[in-house]
Amino acid sequence: EPEVTQTPSHQVTQMGQEVILRCVPISNHLYFYWYRQILGQKVEFLVSFYNNEISEKSEIFDDQFSVERPDGSNFTLKIRSTKLEDSAMYFCASTEAGLAGVSYNEQFFGPGTRLTVL
Amino acid sequence: GDSVTQMEGPVTLSEEAFLTINCTYTATGYPSLFWYVQYPGEGLQLLLKATKADDKGSNKGFEATYRKETTSFHLEKGSVQVSDSAVYFCALSDKETSGSRLTFGEGTQLTVNP
Repeated sequence: EPEVTQTPSHQVTQMGQEVILRCVPISNHLYFYWYRQILGQKVEFLVSFYNNEISEKSEIFDDQFSVERPDGSNFTLKIRSTKLEDSAMYFCASTEAGLAGVSYNEQFFGPGTRLTVL
Repeated sequence: GDSVTQMEGPVTLSEEAFLTINCTYTATGYPSLFWYVQYPGEGLQLLLKATKADDKGSNKGFEATYRKETTSFHLEKGSVQVSDSAVYFCALSDKETSGSRLTFGEGTQLTVNP
């Protein structure tokens, strides 16, 4: 069964460093997402991406964050200068594009990358 | 804005007990509603969904009915097993087309003891 994969599973970094979290969405999916979950808190939406551009972003997704689809398979989240409060589990998700009148809004999630900022 | 509220957890049950996890929502329009499950060390997996009022989603013995009048989507299972131990998230999506964000509840930790 196709699945979303994420690497690395755990990333430890120093405050102020740049990190890139990587995701490989399901191959025929066209919408991609990043969510994060700070320990003990809700899963929060960060950004959605379609047709090589951001389609929606939350207030959390400030100028320190960026997303990219560098090739036909990877989808990345970059944090330019990490802060302590960026420590969280980051989940990538993907979904098929919907046909007119048909709902395809099930999002398939990867296992997550645990980011620890020291 | 949209929001989802789940019952406060954690929940601890004995095997074969009845499970209810409450979920209520606030949204404009007519959202789709979901339950996701997260087993230890794994990502979020869709458990069931309902896309319109009075729809019942069901999977693996779990059920939830979309109640527009009470803005609720409570998760139930008649007889839980140890293997059901996980964190359960209620979520909504405010459009029926692809590409809209999911808004999650706080999550409820379920532990089932033998």
